Amino acid sequence: QQQVKQSPQSLIVQKGGIPIINCAYENTAFDYFPWYQQFPGKGPALLIAIRPDVSEKKEGRFTISFNKSAKQFSLHIMDSQPGDSATYFCAASKKTGANNLFFGTGTRLTVIP
Amino acid sequence: DGGITQSPKYLFRKEGQNVTLSCEQNLNHDAMYWYRQDPGQGLRLIYYSQIVNDFQKGDIAEGYSVSREKKESFPLTVTSAQKNPTAFYLCASSISTSTAYEQYFGPGTRLTVT
Repeated sequence: QQQVKQSPQSLIVQKGGIPIINCAYENTAFDYFPWYQQFPGKGPALLIAIRPDVSEKKEGRFTISFNKSAKQFSLHIMDSQPGDSATYFCAASKKTGANNLFFGTGTRLTVIP
Repeated sequence: DGGITQSPKYLFRKEGQNVTLSCEQNLNHDAMYWYRQDPGQGLRLIYYSQIVNDFQKGDIAEGYSVSREKKESFPLTVTSAQKNPTAFYLCASSISTSTAYEQYFGPGTRLTVT
């Protein structure tokens, strides 16, 4: 059973566009939602994360929007660049008492120059 | 320069052979994890360890074994019992399992079994 559902599976945008990746969860005990960025042949790297007590978090060109009532969160990449082409994973965890991080299935983003 | 190292980057084995993947970290983290990554399936947890000489099965532990004799090292053995071993294997660590929400990943090992 997939604890975190992620869509779309792949996404192609033009340079300067704003790709949006969506994730949904069911377990209301989750209280930490990170996004990881993975380049081909490399391990994932933590990109940005949000707690459910805020509805939005920005770091540079990356923004997480969080809708607690809908149990959904999304990643927006402003002014996307070809260097942003990578696979993005959302994840969810409990910040206390957790021993696991639950990942979405990933979105492969391609930014065309 | 702190981090997680995995070796080798690529590994080829014949079917029926056991193979051990290396994972070393110098972050002084107590917790370590092994994931398997297949296209379209995200990351699936194989085993994790909270502390030296302790480890727990994850979601897909069948056909795998681990050991944790040193804090810095968490090798994964893919046994001949693993029916579909070809995959990208990722090792990760966190300060403790209580901070499992913040994991740091190694560069991965791509295993191909023919």
